Amino acid sequence: GDSVTQMEGPVTLSEEAFLTINCTYTATGYPSLFWYVQYPGEGLQLLLKATKADDKGSNKGFEATYRKETTSFHLEKGSVQVSDSAVYFCALSDRRGGATNKLIFGTGTLLAVQP
Amino acid sequence: NAGVTQTPKFQVLKTGQSMTLQCAQDMNHNSMYWYRQDPGMGLRLIYYSASEGTTDKGEVPNGYNVSRLNKREFSLRLESAAPSQTSVYFCASSEAGGSPRFGSGTRLTVV
Repeated sequence: GDSVTQMEGPVTLSEEAFLTINCTYTATGYPSLFWYVQYPGEGLQLLLKATKADDKGSNKGFEATYRKETTSFHLEKGSVQVSDSAVYFCALSDRRGGATNKLIFGTGTLLAVQP
Repeated sequence: NAGVTQTPKFQVLKTGQSMTLQCAQDMNHNSMYWYRQDPGMGLRLIYYSASEGTTDKGEVPNGYNVSRLNKREFSLRLESAAPSQTSVYFCASSEAGGSPRFGSGTRLTVV
């Protein structure tokens, strides 16, 4: 079945460092891909998404490009801040569900940014 | 605009007790979902509802029941709680083809 694999954490960086969190997927068909962020004690918030190959999603300085040839959707940010400390989830949607958008999640990557 | 509201935020149950987790959304979304979040496992889909009056099983439905009471509300019931159901439960909703929007979660402990 469909699945998402993302790098294990925690990832610990100093402020202003470059961030990459790797995400690869296995899917039949052409899923949409998502990054969600979870701040401590809160629910998940959509960070960015891409719906087809070569699309780039971006938001708040974060970017990810849908790479069909490598089945990847790596999350990047050029300069992280302490406020970016959170758990990041990569996910794909099972489009075979029709109008619903059932998500399959990776295990999450904890990012800790130190001042 | 409240989005997705879940109640309660925290709950402790004894093994064998029952309870219902409530979820309501005010965005007029057709689809609603229940997920559970466990350490090292990400989020897994329990049940979902494509529209009012319909429900379907997700990846981990055993031990749970759901009710889509109306377009706004989608409840999750544990009939006889077990320690393995200790988890954080998230409700979400989406419009057709849209990105799911999540509530703030219910942290459930079964002792």
